[in-house]
Amino acid sequence: GQQLNQSPQSMFIQEGEDVSMNCTSSSIFNTWLWYKQDPGEGPVLLIALYKAGELTSNGRLTAQFGITRKDSFLNISASIPSDVGIYFCAGNYGGSQGNLIFGKGTKLSVKP
Amino acid sequence: NAGVTQTPKFQVLKTGQSMTLQCAQDMNHEYMSWYRQDPGMGLRLIHYSVGAGITDQGEVPNGYNVSRSTTEDFPLRLLSAAPSQTSVYFCASREANVLTFGAGSRLTVL
Repeated sequence: GQQLNQSPQSMFIQEGEDVSMNCTSSSIFNTWLWYKQDPGEGPVLLIALYKAGELTSNGRLTAQFGITRKDSFLNISASIPSDVGIYFCAGNYGGSQGNLIFGKGTKLSVKP
Repeated sequence: NAGVTQTPKFQVLKTGQSMTLQCAQDMNHEYMSWYRQDPGMGLRLIHYSVGAGITDQGEVPNGYNVSRSTTEDFPLRLLSAAPSQTSVYFCASREANVLTFGAGSRLTVL
């Protein structure tokens, strides 16, 4: 089946540093989404991308829909302790009722 | 506006027991789904529904049943729980490609 490769698996950074994570797929996707999951909670949508090349920001977060439609990245600038959590990419290639496929997540730890 | 509500939040079962995880949404979304989350595995789709009376299997459907009698509710049933079903379960509803998740149900099968 379809798979998303998300990297890195985990990151340990100092408060104030910038963070970058990405997802790649073997198939062309028509939607890319980025979610964040806080401990003990469900994932919450951060950014949704719908067009190749689209660059969208949400506060200190910026995400891009790759030109090839097979990748996406998420950047977090000037990290703060509340950025801690698991970040998931998700994509929709249009098949199987438009079900979303999720990456395995990037676990972010921020040291004050 | 509650969004997606899941109950119970925690449950411990013995092998072979049955139970139902409840999910309700108040956003009038046609699409609802169940995912399980295991360490290092991300979120995997169990079952989904595109509307009342319609359900279909996802990536990991074995051992789970679902039904969709109303737009609001989408319960997940474990007929005979197994230790391999120990996981965190998330219900989600969707509009325009965007999933809204519940807070999760943590299930332990002994």
